[in-house]
Amino acid sequence: DQQVKQNSPSLSVQEGRISILNCDYTNSMFDYFLWYKKYPAEGPTFLISISSIKDKNEDGRFTVFLNKSAKHLSLHIVPSQPGDSAVYFCAALNNDYKLSFGAGTTVTVRA
Amino acid sequence: DGGITQSPKYLFRKEGQNVTLSCEQNLNHDAMYWYRQDPGQGLRLIYYSQIVNDFQKGDIAEGYSVSREKKESFPLTVTSAQKNPTAFYLCASRAASGANTEAFFGQGTRLTVV
Repeated sequence: DQQVKQNSPSLSVQEGRISILNCDYTNSMFDYFLWYKKYPAEGPTFLISISSIKDKNEDGRFTVFLNKSAKHLSLHIVPSQPGDSAVYFCAALNNDYKLSFGAGTTVTVRA
Repeated sequence: DGGITQSPKYLFRKEGQNVTLSCEQNLNHDAMYWYRQDPGQGLRLIYYSQIVNDFQKGDIAEGYSVSREKKESFPLTVTSAQKNPTAFYLCASRAASGANTEAFFGQGTRLTVV
């Protein structure tokens, strides 16, 4: 039973425009959410996170929004750059240390 | 310098053989994790450990075993009972005590069973 869902397997965006990645979750016990970026044959690297007590966190070009009532979070990347082309994973943590990931969204930034 | 190391990067085994994947971290992290990645499947949790000598099954633990005898080490054994062992395996660690923290990943081990 997938508790973290990324329903869009892929996203194509033009360089300079905004990329919006979505993530839904089902477990109301999740209290910390993270986004990771991954290139093929490498380990994921951490991008940005948000605690359940906040609704927005911003770090440079990356902003994460959390809507707890909808059990939904999103990652905004603006402006998108060619180096942003990668797979992006949403992850969620609950208080028993279990860290669950979604299936990922492949982002392609077009020149 | 600090980090999390998985070895080897590529591993080939014959069907029916057990194989152990290594994961070592020198970040002084309490929690460690093993994930498996298959094409289009994302990262699926195999086992995780909050502290030395304690670990819990993740979502796909069948056919795998782990141990956590030392804080810095969390080896994963892929047994012959695992029906589809060929995959990319990722290990992660996290400073779990106190506030919410991110997990750091190793570079992965590609296991191919022939």
